[in-house]
Amino acid sequence: AQSVTQLDSQVPVFEEAPVELRCNYSSSVSVYLFWYVQYPNQGLQLLLKYLSGSTLVKGINGFEAEFNKSQTSFHLRKPSVHISDTAEYFCAVRTIGGNNRKLIWGLGTSLAVNP
Amino acid sequence: NAGVTQTPKFRILKIGQSMTLQCAQDMNHNYMYWYRQDPGMGLKLIYYSVGAGITDKGEVPNGYNVSRSTTEDFPLRLELAAPSQTSVYFCASSDTRDEQYFGPGTRLTVT
Repeated sequence: AQSVTQLDSQVPVFEEAPVELRCNYSSSVSVYLFWYVQYPNQGLQLLLKYLSGSTLVKGINGFEAEFNKSQTSFHLRKPSVHISDTAEYFCAVRTIGGNNRKLIWGLGTSLAVNP
Repeated sequence: NAGVTQTPKFRILKIGQSMTLQCAQDMNHNYMYWYRQDPGMGLKLIYYSVGAGITDKGEVPNGYNVSRSTTEDFPLRLELAAPSQTSVYFCASSDTRDEQYFGPGTRLTVT
């Protein structure tokens, strides 16, 4: 079975500072990896995904993530955050193959960007 | 494209009442999902569908039912509402490219 652990439930940071949101996963088979963002009172939207190829993935809003297979991690980074990045961030995985495309979700990391 | 739409946005139910949460997508996606989101608990999959006429249980199906008679619609039925079903419900859809598109959510309170 697969599982996803987001190592920080809350991350406070000052505006224009760098941020890293950590995600580790456990799986006996190869996986695809995703980061989603949820702004207050909204549904989730995809930030970025790793399916194959380069392990450094760039997403929307200046975010990027690096897939590290040996450490089974997929940490999300941004070099300089804005107030508008305040949101809940979810890491998710899906096993490769199969027909249902179900995602296994982490519990989320609440990013609070302060002025 | 409207994307994924959900109705209603808010609803208060009394214990024992029933209701249907509506979900529709106009992207011709085969895959559709119902999640519930509780504070600090992330997303839990209730039911999902891989195409019209095909549905299957997720992690937390008890107390819910679904149907998928068309590609576009995936309603979620709550029978005999209980306080434990107080939550925010999200519908999502996806195609073969793996990105899930979410609706705006339905905030349900059972009292």
